[in-house]
Parts: sequence; C-alpha cells; structure tokens
Amino acid sequence: GAVVSQHPSWVICKSGTSVKIECRSLDFQATTMFWYRQFPKQSLMLMATSNEGSKATYEQGVEKDKFLINHASLTLSTLTVTSAHPEDSSFYICSARGWGGSLKETQYFGPGTRLLVL
Amino acid sequence: EDKVVQSPLSLVVHEGDTVTLNCSYEVTNFRSLLWYKQEKKAPTFLFMLTSSGIEKKSGRLSSILDKKELFSILNITATQTGDSAVYLCAVEVLRNTGKLIFGQGTTLQVKP
Repeated sequence: GAVVSQHPSWVICKSGTSVKIECRSLDFQATTMFWYRQFPKQSLMLMATSNEGSKATYEQGVEKDKFLINHASLTLSTLTVTSAHPEDSSFYICSARGWGGSLKETQYFGPGTRLLVL
Repeated sequence: EDKVVQSPLSLVVHEGDTVTLNCSYEVTNFRSLLWYKQEKKAPTFLFMLTSSGIEKKSGRLSSILDKKELFSILNITATQTGDSAVYLCAVEVLRNTGKLIFGQGTTLQVKP
C-alpha cells in the first residue's frame, strides 16, 4: 500500500513554456499532498502544501503565480510551472500524506520528475 | 527557525564496516523524526521515530531517538555496496498539516 506516482518522470522544454506535473496516490486517499524541489547535491525543499478542495499554502520565497498547484480530488494534485526558465530546472518530488488503516501517518513520496528547461 | 542538521555530510567506508549517521534538530511542535534513503530517485522510507529510547530495527539498519537531547542516530552494520546512497533525516512538525523539515543529507559511499 501507499504508492504515489508522478507523471512525467522526465521533461525537457523550451524556455517560456508551461509544464504540468501530476502526482497521484494510487491506493489511498490523500487530503494533503506536498510538493518539493531538489537541486543537485542539495536536500529537499518544501515548496507548498496542497489541500484537496482548497488553495495551496506556499512556503516563503515560492511564487504562487509561477508554481500553480491544483488538488482537485483526493488522489490527484498537479503542479504547473508557468513560463519556465532554465533556473527552474530541478527535480520535483511530490508526497502524499497517509492516514488510517495500515498506513503510517507520514508522507509517502512519488518517484520524482526531472525538469530541464533549455 | 526550525532546523535539522545531519553529520557527517559525507562518508566513505569499506564493505563490512559499521556506520553511524547523526541527526540533530531544533524545532517547535515536534511530531516525529523520519529517516529516508535516497538513491537516484525520490526518497524511500526507512524509519519513523516518535518516542525516546525505543530502537527501531530493520535488518542491518537500526535507529533511535533521544527527545531530551534532540537527536537521532541511524546505524548500518555490515555495510554493503548497495547501501551507498544519500540518507536524509526529516522532522515532522505538528502545526498545519505536518510539514517535513529535511536535513542536508549524508552521502554514504561503500567501497567493495
């Protein structure tokens, strides 16, 4: 149990385009999902907390108009990087919070999406 | 400001050695401490610790938490080359929806 998927796993795009990344909890419902960014040789930095049916909560320094988050259902959250620039190139990882049953009350991570903006 | 610090930042050992990774923290509203292993992709869960002094064990890996001194250790015995990875420590805080604050990670390389 507690499988989280992300799509796509790799994306290369031109500067100025928008990129959408999907995060799905496959076998459990997640009222809360988290989006992280990881630069090479650095740790994970939380970008925002995504709550089903409400607006995301962004961390300080993260532009909400640039990183649009939608959590339309209990199993899907999307992150859209709008007007991407080379400095947005990074590894984006989502996690979903498990609740109840056999799930530990912690975050389960997706496999990540590598974004390269040319 | 909430902070999680890991040491050492990197470590090179030979197969069969035992290693101890450290994680200290200063946070308000502590909920739990978690250890993850990260290879090429996203982190994989190792342990979640909430109580002091209770060792969690999984094969050659074990971990313990000291909530008085605000630290945790992750031990790996009889290391293998497959243990080479970045080990991340994270603390979950109670406020809001359980935000994770990550340490910088310890890069472990196990040589044959």
